[in-house]
Amino acid sequence: QKEVEQNSGPLSVPEGAIASLNCTYSDRVSQSFFWYRQYSGKSPELIMSIYSNGDKEDGRFTAQLNKASQYVSLLIRDSQPSDSATYLCAVDDNNDMRFGAGTRLTVKP
Amino acid sequence: DAGVIQSPRHEVTEMGQEVTLRCKPISGHDYLFWYRQTMMRGLELLIYFNNNVPIDDSGMPEDRFSAKMPNASFSTLKIQPSEPRDSAVYFCASSFGQDSTDTQYFGPGTRLTVL
Repeated sequence: QKEVEQNSGPLSVPEGAIASLNCTYSDRVSQSFFWYRQYSGKSPELIMSIYSNGDKEDGRFTAQLNKASQYVSLLIRDSQPSDSATYLCAVDDNNDMRFGAGTRLTVKP
Repeated sequence: DAGVIQSPRHEVTEMGQEVTLRCKPISGHDYLFWYRQTMMRGLELLIYFNNNVPIDDSGMPEDRFSAKMPNASFSTLKIQPSEPRDSAVYFCASSFGQDSTDTQYFGPGTRLTVL
């Protein structure tokens, strides 16, 4: 069974701090990795994708991938209350997309 | 663009009844995905289509579930007969590209409650 594991949280950080979200996956052949944000009662929204080892930055968001350790993370700099949501890690293996359970993030003003 | 459209947004039915969920993907998108989300199991891929053809239905839980895509602008997910454990939010998503991992755009979801 291919697994995607996330710390379910909740993770609470003060406004302006860095939020760090982590995800591990079990299938070594996975090639594509995604972070989705889901506000309560809303649908998932893609915020980052990463395919190769290293860091990928987009505004306040940085995704980090380490295939050897089967680990992908998302850093949110200068966290804002509007970042409060559940963040879903997703891993694709040959068109089989699997999601983690999500980490609930709360950014306190 | 209106985005992915799903209907109904909420559905309450009794055990044993047939339920049909509907989805209209974003125009021009050639991939369509059906997901189910519950607190216990998270977000699960049920089935996906490419150019209206079902490619992988290994996530469909059992024979009570069926999905069709008669044309590029419409898909249905049917549950017959429905059971209380089918209660969940069902999302439809679509994407464009040669690779199904291209950005998927999710619809607003249908919240299904089976009593």
